Amino acid sequence: EAGVTQFPSHSVIEKGQTVTLRCDPISGHDNLYWYRRVMGKEIKFLLHFVKESKQDESGMPNNRFLAERTGGTYSTLKVQPAELEDSGVYFCASSQWTSDETQYFGPGTRLLVL
Amino acid sequence: GENVEQHPSTLSVQEGDSAVIKCTYSDSASNYFPWYKQELGKRPQLIIDIRSNVGEKKDQRIAVTLNKTAKHFSLHITETQPEDSAVYFCAAPNQAGTALIFGKGTTLSVSS
Repeated sequence: EAGVTQFPSHSVIEKGQTVTLRCDPISGHDNLYWYRRVMGKEIKFLLHFVKESKQDESGMPNNRFLAERTGGTYSTLKVQPAELEDSGVYFCASSQWTSDETQYFGPGTRLLVL
Repeated sequence: GENVEQHPSTLSVQEGDSAVIKCTYSDSASNYFPWYKQELGKRPQLIIDIRSNVGEKKDQRIAVTLNKTAKHFSLHITETQPEDSAVYFCAAPNQAGTALIFGKGTTLSVSS
């Protein structure tokens, strides 16, 4: 069974530019989560999809972040325009059922905003 | 608000020693407590989890204990090996049940 995959693995952009991160969850997993780890701190929740619907987006920092999951399969997270404080590692995770089931993490996208 | 506190932030042990990492949580309704291990440059991986209907769970050299009254849970690693060196995160579900709240992580270093 293929695990959660993310693309790109690394991205270096300048402040003000746009970046789009992609996550492919494990096939059949309805639940998809985005998390972020900034500068060695805790892994912080951004948002949760159930199929194509946003179940909870309370962790999204501001309206420069836009997440989509059209068709309920892969998801994208767009940052526009990027700011310096957006640098960090963006993780995607998926689970078959609700959040009290095992969440499987992707390898993360390391974003550096200069 | 919802919170998961994790201690210590760093832990250094000699190979063969035991390591203990402790977490406390704020939401008494939480019922699922996973532990993730993240090796350098790799993805967080679930190593063990415990549900609120049990007090302890073991898997070879790893064990987790849960005290619901005190709202804390701990990870125990016995006979540590250099390959146990990593960052360990505890977590608990948020109140809405829509996400995991993570502790700040413990960097474990096992020296041979």
